[in-house]
Amino acid sequence: DAGVIQSPRHEVTEMGQEVTLRCKPISGHNSLFWYRQTMMRGLELLIYFNNNVPIDDSGMPEDRFSAKMPNASFSTLKIQPSEPRDSAVYFCASNTPGEDTQYFGPGTRLTVL
Amino acid sequence: AQSVTQLDSQVPVFEEAPVELRCNYSSSVSVYLFWYVQYPNQGLQLLLKYLSGSTLVKGINGFEAEFNKSQTSFHLRKPSVHISDTAEYFCAVSVDRSNYKLTFGKGTLLTVNP
Repeated sequence: DAGVIQSPRHEVTEMGQEVTLRCKPISGHNSLFWYRQTMMRGLELLIYFNNNVPIDDSGMPEDRFSAKMPNASFSTLKIQPSEPRDSAVYFCASNTPGEDTQYFGPGTRLTVL
Repeated sequence: AQSVTQLDSQVPVFEEAPVELRCNYSSSVSVYLFWYVQYPNQGLQLLLKYLSGSTLVKGINGFEAEFNKSQTSFHLRKPSVHISDTAEYFCAVSVDRSNYKLTFGKGTLLTVNP
């Protein structure tokens, strides 16, 4: 299996622009997690899905952030409008429900100027 | 709510020396504990985990960790490190067996010098 795939790997954008991060989970994995990693706050869980349904979005920082999972093989994390403080590495992870191990993608490094 | 404290943000060691990376957790319920490793410019991968049973767990690359409930700790150890062990190490806790949603510590950067 190719593992969790994220795109783009790097994104540089200007403040106020819309940013869309993409994730393809491992085939057969029905749970998907979005994390944000910053120097100040470390790794934070933003949202997780189970069978394409958002179960817990309590970590989403504000209304500028939204996430969708239209089908079992694709998820997006959107920031609109983006701000410099959104600069971070965003990771996607997946597993099967009840599985203890999460499998992480390589991350998307977002820089908002 | 649960939390994880990694007491050292950076640990420099020489090659072939032993190392211990410290992790303490806080939770009012039973926990499941994990160590993940992140190599430069890569995603995280599981190093080892404690779910139940023996409190001493062994993982990949010669690492092991011991769950100590009375001290609420889950320290990671390796008797002899290699240059290739240079990475960031994250301790994480979960209290939900239905999805193992993780709360991470802030990480410890292990740097192995020749």
